[in-house]
This record gives sequence, structure tokens and C-alpha cells, in this order.
Amino acid sequence: DIQMTQSPSTLSASVGDRVTITCRASRSISNWLAWYQQKPGKAPILLIYKASRLQSGVPSRFSGSGSGTEFTLTISSLQPDDFATYYCQQYNSFPYSFGQGTRLEIK
Amino acid sequence: EVQLVESGGGLVQPEGSLRLSCAASGFTFSNSAISWVRQAPGMGLEWVSTITGSGGSTYYADSVKGRFTISRDNSKNTLYLQMNRLRAEDTAIYFCATGNSAYGSYHDFWGQGTLVTVSS
Repeated sequence: DIQMTQSPSTLSASVGDRVTITCRASRSISNWLAWYQQKPGKAPILLIYKASRLQSGVPSRFSGSGSGTEFTLTISSLQPDDFATYYCQQYNSFPYSFGQGTRLEIK
Repeated sequence: EVQLVESGGGLVQPEGSLRLSCAASGFTFSNSAISWVRQAPGMGLEWVSTITGSGGSTYYADSVKGRFTISRDNSKNTLYLQMNRLRAEDTAIYFCATGNSAYGSYHDFWGQGTLVTVSS
């Protein structure tokens, strides 16, 4: 099974900051990686798929990169609506697996 | 507009059973693999199970294998999760989520979730 590890677990930042979240896979998943945003009490929302493809309707300040075992999600200029928890997920092979999440909080 | 509406959650005793449903609309149901993903209180997301568009293949997390059964009725645009021998650690919000292909993929649409509580 593939384990996904995100870092950091918590990130404190301010509006306007550029932030990066890292996700590592325990073995190569090519570019079969997605990123989701979740706010309290809500379902997750797809942001990025295939490591770097922006889902329709997602603001362009979100971007993804990486392949193999190391991936990043970058928010170029934080907006108030971006404070949430972010998860990576591999869909290279079953069982699918999520990272443990990164909580992005206001500094 | 894609809509996924889960139902069937509730309070159940340990070792009890429950069947969740997910009613889908707004897309060609049989063209999409569908998954269940759960989230225990205050915890992260956990993939539970996926069924392919035809229903011919199913996949499970080790934590539920042998206790949960995923199925679908493409004539009713509905996904199911039969949960048997429930444990306290199965307490979670259960989301259904579409896959971007008939065989499994990232989850592009999610329902609002249904809460399952396992407690005596």
C-alpha cells in the first residue's frame, strides 16, 4: 500500500503570503495525485488533479507540481477564503490513500 | 448540475449493521466509478471503497474489508454501502464521491455526507 505524508501539519500565514504544502508518496505514483480543500463542516473540494491540472472554477492562485514521490501545492497570494485544511490523495493504485492533512491558519 | 445525496446514517450499536445510500443526478451515472470516503470526528479523510461504473470491480480499505460491501444500481442512479459488524472506530461522516472515469480516479464531486455513530 502507498502511504502519503504531508508537511507541515499546520501552517500559519497571513493574507497575501505565498505558501507551499508538500506531499510525499512512499513509492512512485507518477503524477496520479490530487489536492483537496476542506472547510469545517463541509465536503472536500477538488483543487488540482494529475499533480498540476487546475480543476475548473478553481482560482489561478492555486498551483500544483511534482511527479514520482514528491509533490507541492502552492497558493501564490493567500486570500481570506483560503484558510482551510488541505489534503493530497494518490489515485495511482488501490487502496487509494490521503495525506493526513495540512491545516492552514491565520497568523 | 451534479448532485450526490447520502442517506442512511444514524446511531447503531457495536456489531450492528447499517446501509448507506447515495442518490446521484446530473451526470451519466454508469460512466463513473464512485467511492465512499469517511472522516472520523476531528480527523482526516480516509478512503473506504470504490466501485467501477459497471459494478464489475470493487475495492476496499483493509480496515473495512470483509465487513463492508459496496454496490450500485445503475437503473436507479444509486450507490450503496452495506456496513456489518460495526465498530466504534467506524464512527465517522461518510461521503460519496464521483470518480472522473469508469474505473476510478480523483474525486471531482462530493456529497454532503451522512453521519454514522457506533456506540452502545
